[in-house]
Amino acid sequence: EAQVTQNPRYLITVTGKKLTVTCSQNMNHEYMSWYRQDPGLGLRQIYYSMNVEVTDKGDVPEGYKVSRKEKRNFPLILESPSPNQTSLYFCASSFGGRDYGYTFGSGTRLTVV
Amino acid sequence: AQSVSQHNHHVILSEAASLELGCNYSYGGTVNLFWYVQYPGQHLQLLLKYFSGDPLVKGIKGFEAEFIKSKFSFNLRKPSVQWSDTAEYFCAVNYGSGGYNKLIFGAGTRLAVHP
Repeated sequence: EAQVTQNPRYLITVTGKKLTVTCSQNMNHEYMSWYRQDPGLGLRQIYYSMNVEVTDKGDVPEGYKVSRKEKRNFPLILESPSPNQTSLYFCASSFGGRDYGYTFGSGTRLTVV
Repeated sequence: AQSVSQHNHHVILSEAASLELGCNYSYGGTVNLFWYVQYPGQHLQLLLKYFSGDPLVKGIKGFEAEFIKSKFSFNLRKPSVQWSDTAEYFCAVNYGSGGYNKLIFGAGTRLAVHP
């Protein structure tokens, strides 16, 4: 089944403790993105990647890192999480270009206390 | 800056009522337009998309949307809603004619349908 898989689904952590949210897609998509969803703000892009080893900042990159060492994986790293990073996170992937929308993962609900 | 506006944050309807959710985007040349739906506790799913051609686009579950270029709008419609349509709906716009397709999302509209 074609899908984007995120782990974990739920995570509670403490301020300053490094964490990684994994994302993997099995559709051979070139483009991958991370979004955070906050009430009243919709989805805002954190980082995106156009291919292996090619990443760039989205609209809200502060406090996050990403890497794209393999085409299928695009982990999101929070080196020192803070409470304002409490949010619902979605990974998404696409073939890119005009004709494709994104396929989204099931989301990771992160709480930083 | 490129932006997407959804007019209604919360909509409450009775079953069988007609639905129209507004979406406007800022000018940015070539655009591709999407509506996504997020059912409670689930991820976003694509309802429909517009790239070119007939401005009236039909999607899944009986939804349709009309692209009006002169108004920079892409409103979502459904003639008769069901309780199962209770969800949050997001309009999204991809600015650009090719290459990387960054999606910019509206803030979302929460729809509650009462039996």
